[in-house]
Amino acid sequence: GNSVTQMEGPVTLSEEAFLTINCTYTATGYPSLFWYVQYPGEGLQLLLKATKADDKGSNKGFEATYRKETTSFHLEKGSVQVSDSAVYFCALIGGTSYGKLTFGQGTILTVHP
Amino acid sequence: DARVTQTPRHKVTEMGQEVTMRCQPILGHNTVFWYRQTMMQGLELLAYFRNRAPLDDSGMPKDRFSAEMPDATLATLKIQPSEPRDSAVYFCASGSGYTIYFGEGSWLTVV
Repeated sequence: GNSVTQMEGPVTLSEEAFLTINCTYTATGYPSLFWYVQYPGEGLQLLLKATKADDKGSNKGFEATYRKETTSFHLEKGSVQVSDSAVYFCALIGGTSYGKLTFGQGTILTVHP
Repeated sequence: DARVTQTPRHKVTEMGQEVTMRCQPILGHNTVFWYRQTMMQGLELLAYFRNRAPLDDSGMPKDRFSAEMPDATLATLKIQPSEPRDSAVYFCASGSGYTIYFGEGSWLTVV
């Protein structure tokens, strides 16, 4: 079946530091890949997505590249801000899952001033 | 700004009571999901619908949970009777194709 594995958290960084959150996946067919962000007390918001190999999704300074050869979709940001503190979820929709999202366990990010 | 609307936002109820959560998906979206989020289990898919037909409810405890879509603008998740272990945040999401949007969640506490 489909599965998503994210790096263990929590991740704690100082403002303006470089961020990487690792995400690898297992899926049949050709999945679409997503990063969602959840701020405290809120629902999940779609941050970025990539629907085919070598695509790069980007939004709000965050980027992730769909690497089929390594089955990875790592999230990066060059300079984090305190306002980026949230929980980040990697997810996929597999080729045969009829639009159903499979989520990783989430990574808590805390950014200090 | 189109959004998924969930009610109630917060609910505290006593064990044994019926709880109904409602969701208005984004107009035109043909897929609707119910997820549950807890600290221990993370995000769990409870049920989902395509074109109002249930596709998968294998994640839902059938003895007490039920999910329906009476029409294209309303999805419901019902728990009867509720138990303290049902305390969680319940998210509705809707989508069309590969883009899925989540509501703000219904924060349920069963005491």
